Amino acid sequence: DSGVTQTPKHLITATGQRVTLRCSPRSGDLSVYWYQQSLDQGLQFLIQYYNGEERAKGNILERFSAQQFPDLHSELNLSSLELGDSALYFCASRASGGPASSYNEQFFGPGTRLTVL
Amino acid sequence: GEDVEQSLFLSVREGDSSVINCTYTDSSSTYLYWYKQEPGAGLQLLTYIFSNMDMKQDQRLTVLLNKKDKHLSLRIADTQTGDSAIYFCASGAGGYQKVTFGTGTKLQVIP
Repeated sequence: DSGVTQTPKHLITATGQRVTLRCSPRSGDLSVYWYQQSLDQGLQFLIQYYNGEERAKGNILERFSAQQFPDLHSELNLSSLELGDSALYFCASRASGGPASSYNEQFFGPGTRLTVL
Repeated sequence: GEDVEQSLFLSVREGDSSVINCTYTDSSSTYLYWYKQEPGAGLQLLTYIFSNMDMKQDQRLTVLLNKKDKHLSLRIADTQTGDSAIYFCASGAGGYQKVTFGTGTKLQVIP
């Protein structure tokens, strides 16, 4: 158990809909990353937040948005869903102190599997 | 932009050595990582190497880094069925910089 939690575990929805994925980082970790894992594109970095502020952006579509709240949990919002958005979405948190922070170890949650029908 | 490439699939027999290869493009990478993803789970850091090293050994795992060619490899000695997983190579500049992951290599261990 990495200490990172994600809900829900599975989500099935229809095209055109909007969903929200939730992530709680490990206790004390300030930085949250979102990734999308699909069969054809591997693991793609979407976005990073640090202590409530956006820190880096990757291959995130305009239909997707995220935020990190004062309690450090984060939400990824996916709207106008398309079939191609079906994937496993991971959240990871980065150690804010200790040895793991020096080499930037990321701790991954179990993921949310999104199926768009 | 940064890119990390690795082969998609590797099959080995139980007891043999496995070698998973990776190339990266970002010459400013300070850390190179190997993450393991078991079925139905998230990624977990297996090992990492600092860019000024060329080899790191940790029990059955050996990481080799050729910084000139930007080539990283992971050798698993005496591969077991429990090693069956997807292995991700990744590179990063350390600190709060983002980490770039490869597409993952699925290792299948045949009993």
